Amino acid sequence: GESVGLHLPTLSVQEGDNSIINCAYSNSASDYFIWYKQESGKGPQFIIDIRSNMDKRQGQRVTVLLNKTVKHLSLQIAATQPGDSAVYFCAENLQHQGAQKLVFGQGTRLTINP
Amino acid sequence: DVKVTQSSRYLVKRTGEKVFLECVQDMDHENMFWYRQDPGLGLRLIYFSYDVKMKEKGDIPEGYSVSREKKERFSLILESASTNQTSMYLCASSLFWGYGYTFGSGTRLTVV
Repeated sequence: GESVGLHLPTLSVQEGDNSIINCAYSNSASDYFIWYKQESGKGPQFIIDIRSNMDKRQGQRVTVLLNKTVKHLSLQIAATQPGDSAVYFCAENLQHQGAQKLVFGQGTRLTINP
Repeated sequence: DVKVTQSSRYLVKRTGEKVFLECVQDMDHENMFWYRQDPGLGLRLIYFSYDVKMKEKGDIPEGYSVSREKKERFSLILESASTNQTSMYLCASSLFWGYGYTFGSGTRLTVV
């Protein structure tokens, strides 16, 4: 069935280290993926997206990698800062009743150790 | 930047009350969505709309209805609130299908 899952519900990293958050998806027909960041008390904020015709996309301090062979998505955050503490969601774009919808994973909580 | 505004951050309602959650976006987006967010369950789609007066059921529409009389406003209605509808409700909008959503800050609803 439709599902987007995360390998780890929590991730703790040292400030300044790189963080890698993983996500598995189940629908091989999905053609668009997004990472969101949700800070406490706020709605999810768009971080970066990637289409299925790409393997990698870079933003400011973030990189998304897509491996379609194993249906795996990852978000890499370089030089993690205290402000990166949040819950990170991956989302997969699926066809639904003739329209398109995003299906979200459960989220990974990233905590930064000083 | 697109702004999606949800009218209330926190609401407390009694069981059986009719509850309206309002969402307004200011960038002329065609598509609007209502999700609820619960610990361990992530974000689940309740209803969405791709045009004025159009609505489609999401994954968990039971106990909810929606209204979209104007393009910028999408309302979620709990006809008779129940305690199992206590949750964080998130509204989102997007310009195109298959494009990233912009979310509001959420409304935390408690039904007592």
